[in-house]
Amino acid sequence: GQQLNQSPQSMFIQEGEDVSMNCTSSSIFNTWLWYKQEPGEGPVLLIALYKAGELTSNGRLTAQFGITRKDSFLNISASIPSDVGIYFCAGGLSNDYKLSFGAGTTVTVRA
Amino acid sequence: NAGVTQTPKFQVLKTGQSMTLQCAQDMNHNSMYWYRQDPGMGLRLIYYSASEGTTDKGEVPNGYNVSRLNKREFSLRLESAAPSQTSVYFCASSDQGSTEAFFGQGTRLTVV
Repeated sequence: GQQLNQSPQSMFIQEGEDVSMNCTSSSIFNTWLWYKQEPGEGPVLLIALYKAGELTSNGRLTAQFGITRKDSFLNISASIPSDVGIYFCAGGLSNDYKLSFGAGTTVTVRA
Repeated sequence: NAGVTQTPKFQVLKTGQSMTLQCAQDMNHNSMYWYRQDPGMGLRLIYYSASEGTTDKGEVPNGYNVSRLNKREFSLRLESAAPSQTSVYFCASSDQGSTEAFFGQGTRLTVV
């Protein structure tokens, strides 16, 4: 599968802070997805993006599909303790069922 | 609404033993997947089934076999477990033509 570079690898954030993470690829994708995984659970889909330049929000989360189709960004505004977890980006192609995943960004919130 | 259900949740095997991981989805999805998750490596696709009756290799298929038993069920078999197969295994499903995959809770497998 395609290799996605996700950064940062981990972050410690203060409650109330806005944070960003991003994902880049050497190849283009038609779809960018962002998942969150909590300890002992499977990844849960947060946001799906289907169009270059698209900006989509889900509550305090906002994600963007990069204009080059080779990157995506996820922002979390006003962090709260329940934002703790691992956030994964995933890229997909419309003619292919398979997703390529980044290695994840581990978020820890300081109360 | 169960979504994607995996069994067992935990398993310890000795090297050389065999076992089957079970997965069932109740969302009437056509496509099903098996991923493994290792620290620092994200999720890697082992096998997938685009629709009932078809299966295809993913990124890391060696040492595994799959069976798409019917539309609901997709099993993963380890014929002769190796320590390198110690991992967390996730089953997922998606609707026809969609890449939005929904995941089960995972099976944590340790091979000693």
